Amino acid sequence: GAGVSQSPRYKVTKRGQDVALRCDPISGHVSLYWYRQALGQGPEFLTYFNYEAQQDKSGLPNDRFSAERPEGSISTLTIQRTEQRDSAMYRCASSLGSTDTTGELFFGEGSRLTVL
Amino acid sequence: QKEVEQDPGPLSVPEGAIVSLNCTYSNSAFQYFMWYRQYSRKGPELLMYTYSSGNKEDGRFTAQVDKSSKYISLFIRDSQPSDSATYLCAMSAKGNKLVFGAGTILRVKS
Repeated sequence: GAGVSQSPRYKVTKRGQDVALRCDPISGHVSLYWYRQALGQGPEFLTYFNYEAQQDKSGLPNDRFSAERPEGSISTLTIQRTEQRDSAMYRCASSLGSTDTTGELFFGEGSRLTVL
Repeated sequence: QKEVEQDPGPLSVPEGAIVSLNCTYSNSAFQYFMWYRQYSRKGPELLMYTYSSGNKEDGRFTAQVDKSSKYISLFIRDSQPSDSATYLCAMSAKGNKLVFGAGTILRVKS
């Protein structure tokens, strides 16, 4: 399909392991966003990119979290030394315009992370 | 206190009812206001988008923004069972760094 694709859809890992979550945005979309959504809550901003440049990472909880988008398309969110409090739905979104413009965000179906 | 407050519901209404969903916010810098709809196990989808104060209508949906009161609303007329979903308000000062409410669960009974 032509939507935002995320993988894996479900990830169960043990505390202390590293995980990598992948996002493939809609083709041609300039900006890419990572949000985290806890159960019963709205998405919470983590970070965003214009093309390959990370514009804002103020929402990343701590230095165990990092994200990259090396070629301006696919992005990876990496969580090192996972902790139980990292368990959540991680959502990727993309938008046609740059991060300076406000336009429709297209969300993927998310990656559900469970840390045991 | 959260920047955006939204009653989580659930809100249960009969088919055909008028639904009113609301959010309040504290950051006076917000000037872009959105409503996203989220079906179970799906990602949020943009429903309505408003810049600054005023009303916007799209079919059965009307979005209102009152910046002086820091209050936004979404009205759904002639509600249908297919409207059953979680409705998330979202807002930003600039760009798509959105601050979301917690979402209101709506159930429309046939």
